[in-house]
Order: sequence, then C-alpha cells, then structure tokens
Amino acid sequence: SQQGEEDPQALSIQEGENATMNCSYKTSINNLQWYRQNSGRGLVHLILIRSNEREKHSGRLRVTLDTSKKSSSLLITASRAADTASYFCATDADAGNMLTFGGGTRLMVKP
Amino acid sequence: EAQVTQNPRYLITVTGKKLTVTCSQNMNHEYMSWYRQDPGLGLRQIYYSMNVEVTDKGDVPEGYKVSRKEKRNFPLILESPSPNQTSLYFCASSFGEWNTQYFGPGTRLTVL
Repeated sequence: SQQGEEDPQALSIQEGENATMNCSYKTSINNLQWYRQNSGRGLVHLILIRSNEREKHSGRLRVTLDTSKKSSSLLITASRAADTASYFCATDADAGNMLTFGGGTRLMVKP
Repeated sequence: EAQVTQNPRYLITVTGKKLTVTCSQNMNHEYMSWYRQDPGLGLRQIYYSMNVEVTDKGDVPEGYKVSRKEKRNFPLILESPSPNQTSLYFCASSFGEWNTQYFGPGTRLTVL
C-alpha cells in the first residue's frame, strides 16, 4: 500500500524557476522524509520533517508539512539542470516499522 | 566512507535458478531493508530487519527470503526466481526504522 502520493507525477521547468512538488498521505505520521533519485541510482535523503514541525529549510530546499491536511510540499528554489531527478516522499505509519514511499515526481530542469 | 554496498549490480538469470543479492553497510545501523522499484509502482518494501536475527515482512515479501546473522549484512534470497521478479532492487539501512535511510546503488535483476 502506498502511504504517500506525490503530485504532479512529472514536472518540466526552465533553469532558474522554482519547482514545487506535493505529497499527500493517509494516516498519522511521526515524520515525513523527502528523497531524490537520479535515474537508475540509489535514493539520497534530502530532508526529514517531524510531525510537530511546520516548515524546514536546507539550502535551496524548503519543506512544509500540514498535518491537518495530511500533506507536505517540497520547494526547490532557483532550480538548476543538475536538479533533474525523481523526488519521493516517504512516511512512517503511526503503527508499524516500515517507511512507505510514494510513486515519485519526475522533475526535469531544462538549461 | 559510510556506505551501503550491493552485489551484484546487474544480474541476468533464468527462472528457477536460486540467487542471492548481498547487502552490506559499514555504519553500524540496526535497521536494514530491501525494496524493489518498478515503473508506475514506486518503491515497495520487501523485507526489513530491526536488528540481528529480527526480520519481518514488508509489503511484497512473496518469493523472497532474507537473513540477518550479522549486523552489517542483510542478503536477499530468491529461492526460485520468476520473471515477475525482474526489477530494480535497493537495500537501505538506518539507525531506526523511521530515520534517514541510506540506500545502496541498486541491483538490476532480469529473470528470463
């Protein structure tokens, strides 16, 4: 079962523009994480936001969490061609020992 | 260098021929897990392990086995592979099941 669902599935923007990806989930969580995956390679952790946090920053990344709407967004500012990748959100179910990933958003940043 | 390694990286095999994909981490992580990634289905967890000798099923465990005899190693075993197990497999480890996951580079398996 997929706990997190990303939206949109694919996003194409020009270099310098901002990219926003959204993640919705179904049950209560302890934390939500965002990962990046370059084509065919392993996922790389970007940022973790806990259920009692509303916003978190890391460099050009900004993550928000709205537990009332069960949703999160990842904003990449001033995008670069090197940001081209798939981005996944992952959530822990409130009860259980698994981290569940969404289907991902494929981001293409055109130079 | 902290890392998760997987071997082999690429494997083409035939139906029914037992195979093992190894996974090793050097970060002393308690939690390790296996995922498969398929187009349109995202990452799905196969098995996970909370610590040595403690393993449990994920979302899609059918056709797979795992073992955790040592903290650093978590091999994935396909006793009788079938074509529907053709996929990209990732091993991951972390200090806890809900903490940052460190992923291996992936193993691309094709079962003919």
